[in-house]
Amino acid sequence: GAVVSQHPSRVICKSGTSVKIECRSLDFQATTMFWYRQFPKQSLMLMATSNEGSKATYEQGVEKDKFLINHASLTLSTLTVTSAHPEDSSFYICSATQESGGHRNEQFFGPGTRLTVL
Amino acid sequence: AQSVSQHNHHVILSEAASLELGCNYSYGGTVNLFWYVQYPGQHLQLLLKYFSGDPLVKGIKGFEAEFIKSKFSFNLRKPSVQWSDTAEYFCAVNSGGGADGLTFGKGTHLIIQP
Repeated sequence: GAVVSQHPSRVICKSGTSVKIECRSLDFQATTMFWYRQFPKQSLMLMATSNEGSKATYEQGVEKDKFLINHASLTLSTLTVTSAHPEDSSFYICSATQESGGHRNEQFFGPGTRLTVL
Repeated sequence: AQSVSQHNHHVILSEAASLELGCNYSYGGTVNLFWYVQYPGQHLQLLLKYFSGDPLVKGIKGFEAEFIKSKFSFNLRKPSVQWSDTAEYFCAVNSGGGADGLTFGKGTHLIIQP
């Protein structure tokens, strides 16, 4: 099956530093990747849609200058949380779609990255 | 804008009981509907999906869901639950093209007591 990995699984950083999270599709090419955020005991909220070779599309209320997304290849998207603050502490999850026959209809999720900002 | 409502935030059942988790969505156009499960300490896993055709969809592990367009509902069912079904269940929707991000419900925490 389609596998998506994320690295790191957990990260603790000091306030004001930047953190990069990687999302990789291991056994398929993903033209589109999505980044979600999940607060404790809450649902996933879509942050942005990342298309290979083009700028990411951000959801309303998500600061594009704070959450930098790069989708440099068909198997890798990165999310960089710049100048992180304690309120950025959350669980960040990526997903990827596998384009097959022109249909992109299922998202495969990574295991998530727990970010704690001190 | 799309929205998804899951009626039950916490459900506790005994093994062998029947399960039905409610999900309603709000969207004016064609939608794709999904149920995902998140077992403790694991990542999201797709249980089943609906794009078109037969409104009764069968998924993995004995789960099924029925799309009722007139009620904007996509309820998840299982006739006999097992202890291993203890998990968080999320209903999600995206637009008919299927290329958009998902809008998730708040989730239902299901606990199965042996």
